[in-house]
Amino acid sequence: GENVEQHPSTLSVQEGDSAVIKCTYSDSASNYFPWYKQELGKRPQLIIDIRSNVGEKKDQRIAVTLNKTAKHFSLHITETQPEDSAVYFCAASELTGGGNKLTFGTGTQLKVEL
Amino acid sequence: DAGITQSPRHKVTETGTPVTLRCHQTENHRYMYWYRQDPGHGLRLIHYSYGVKDTDKGEVSDGYSVSRSKTEDFLLTLESATSSQTSVYFCAISESANNEQFFGPGTRLTVL
Repeated sequence: GENVEQHPSTLSVQEGDSAVIKCTYSDSASNYFPWYKQELGKRPQLIIDIRSNVGEKKDQRIAVTLNKTAKHFSLHITETQPEDSAVYFCAASELTGGGNKLTFGTGTQLKVEL
Repeated sequence: DAGITQSPRHKVTETGTPVTLRCHQTENHRYMYWYRQDPGHGLRLIHYSYGVKDTDKGEVSDGYSVSRSKTEDFLLTLESATSSQTSVYFCAISESANNEQFFGPGTRLTVL
């Protein structure tokens, strides 16, 4: 089955700096890569996703890049703000039409300091 | 937030007792999923459903069963709860297999 590794486990940045979180996956059949943000005591919420037919996707201050050859993908947050502080999870799956069986990384605790 | 509720939101039970968690959605989405979240493990898929009465196993299905008798409800049952099943359980829904998953608020289960 799929295995997703995520680094770093904790990340502390100064407000306004950029943050980068990296994930690797093992199954070359995976073609869907979402990123979720989870605030303390809250539910995970999708912030961005990418499919394997594109190499990069941006949404305002958030971007995701995908390298299929190396089997890794990254989340980039620019101009970080205190409200970006949360746990971020990457995930991977193969979209087959029979159900989206996501495999998650173990999470990155991002702290944005003033 | 998508129309997803989970009940109960918190439960404390004893080892060996049966427990049923409920996920209810008002979005008429076809796909429903149960995950557990534990420190150091992220979220792990337990079971999922791709339609009424259609379910399949996920990564960590041992000790769990599910049922879906109508579109809006997906039940997760622990037949005989163990301390290793202490966790936060999240339900998720998606409109199709290729759409994003929306998560419910979670249920914190403690098995003593």
